[in-house]
Amino acid sequence: AQSVSQHNHHVILSEAASLELGCNYSYGGTVNLFWYVQYPGQHLQLLLKYFSGDPLVKGIKGFEAEFIKSKFSFNLRKPSVQWSDTAEYFCAVTPSNFGNEKLTFGTGTRLTIIP
Amino acid sequence: GAGVSQSPRYKVAKRGQDVALRCDPISGHVSLFWYQQALGQGPEFLTYFQNEAQLDKSGLPSDRFFAERPEGSVSTLKIQRTQQEDSAVYLCASSPLGNTEAFFGQGTRLTVV
Repeated sequence: AQSVSQHNHHVILSEAASLELGCNYSYGGTVNLFWYVQYPGQHLQLLLKYFSGDPLVKGIKGFEAEFIKSKFSFNLRKPSVQWSDTAEYFCAVTPSNFGNEKLTFGTGTRLTIIP
Repeated sequence: GAGVSQSPRYKVAKRGQDVALRCDPISGHVSLFWYQQALGQGPEFLTYFQNEAQLDKSGLPSDRFFAERPEGSVSTLKIQRTQQEDSAVYLCASSPLGNTEAFFGQGTRLTVV
C-alpha cells in the first residue's frame, strides 16, 4: 500500500517569502502525484498534478512542484507567497494503473501568510 | 455548473443513532469516492463507486458503515449505531472515468455526542 509523508505541519511565512513544502511518498510502482489546497471554509481544490513527462509541473496561482523519482519526493514551491495563499495543503498519490483512482493523502501542511 | 454537493453540511448525532449523508456528484461523472477526514489529518479513503457498482470498499472501518449509489448518480453513506470515533468530516468526490482529477464537495461534519 502507498503512503504519503508531509513533514511540515504548520508553516508561517511573511508575504513575498519563498515557499517550499515537502512531500515524500512510499509505493513500489509508478504513481500519479497531486497537490490539493483547501482555503478556509472551502472545498479541496486541485493545485497541480503529475502523471508523466516533464518532472517540473506548473499549477494554478504560480505554484509548481518537482517530481524527483530517486527521492520519492514531490515538493511544492512558490517563489513569492501572498496573504491569499493562507490555506491547508495536501499532497496525494494514486497508483498509475488505470482503474484504481483512490487517493492516498498526507496529513497536510497548514500555511499561514503574515501580511 | 454546480460542483459536488453534500448534505447536510453539519450533523450532530447522539451515540448509537443512525445517520445518512448524501452526495450529489457532478452530472455525468462516473466515479464517486467517499473519504473520512479526522481532525488534523488528511482525508482517508472509504469507498469507491463506478456508476452504481461499488468496486472498492476496503476503507470502510467497520460493518456499521454502508454506502450505496443505486442509480449511478446520488450516493448515500450510512453509519449505523454511531460512536464517538466516527466524528469527522466526510468528503465526497467525483470524477469522469479515466480522469484521476477528483472534484471534492465541501463535506459533512459529523459530531457524535
